[in-house]
Amino acid sequence: EAGVTQFPSHSVIEKGQTVTLRCDPISGHDNLYWYRRVMGKEIKFLLHFVKESKQDESGMPNNRFLAERTGGTYSTLKVQPAELEDSGVYFCASSQGGYYGYTFGSGTRLTVV
Amino acid sequence: RKEVEQDPGPFNVPEGATVAFNCTYSNSASQSFFWYRQDCRKEPKLLMSVYSSGNEDGRFTAQLNRASQYISLLIRDSKLSDSATYLCVLSGGYNKLIFGAGTRLAVHP
Repeated sequence: EAGVTQFPSHSVIEKGQTVTLRCDPISGHDNLYWYRRVMGKEIKFLLHFVKESKQDESGMPNNRFLAERTGGTYSTLKVQPAELEDSGVYFCASSQGGYYGYTFGSGTRLTVV
Repeated sequence: RKEVEQDPGPFNVPEGATVAFNCTYSNSASQSFFWYRQDCRKEPKLLMSVYSSGNEDGRFTAQLNRASQYISLLIRDSKLSDSATYLCVLSGGYNKLIFGAGTRLAVHP
């Protein structure tokens, strides 16, 4: 079974530019999550999709962040315009449901310069 | 106050040692508890769930004390391959996970 795939693995962009991160969950997993780890801090929840619907987006930092999940399959997280404090590692995870069976992707390391 | 507090370490121990990590949490409503392991520049991976009755998986033992809002992880007979960051994680409602910042373990020969 293929795991959770994230693309790109690394991205370096200038402040003010736009970046789009992609996540392909495990096939059949209705639940998809985005988390972020900023340098020196804990991993923090951003949002949760159930199929194509946003179940919980309470962790999204501000309106520069836009997440979508087309047709309940892959998801994108767009940051526009990027700021220096957006640098960090963005993890995507998927699960069939509940807190058990979470599988994380290997993350996208975003650096804003 | 952080929702999950962990000693960041690092804990430097020789191979074969027994090491214990603790974690405290502030949300008494949390129902599910976990220890995750994260290797350098990798994704977090579930190590084990934590139950009130205590549970063991090989060299690893986890314990939950709901009254004190305290979780522990004990690693016996440490191996070099145990070197990693150990994350205390709890449920945050609606399938959301709340992570501690992690405790770094370095096992040396």
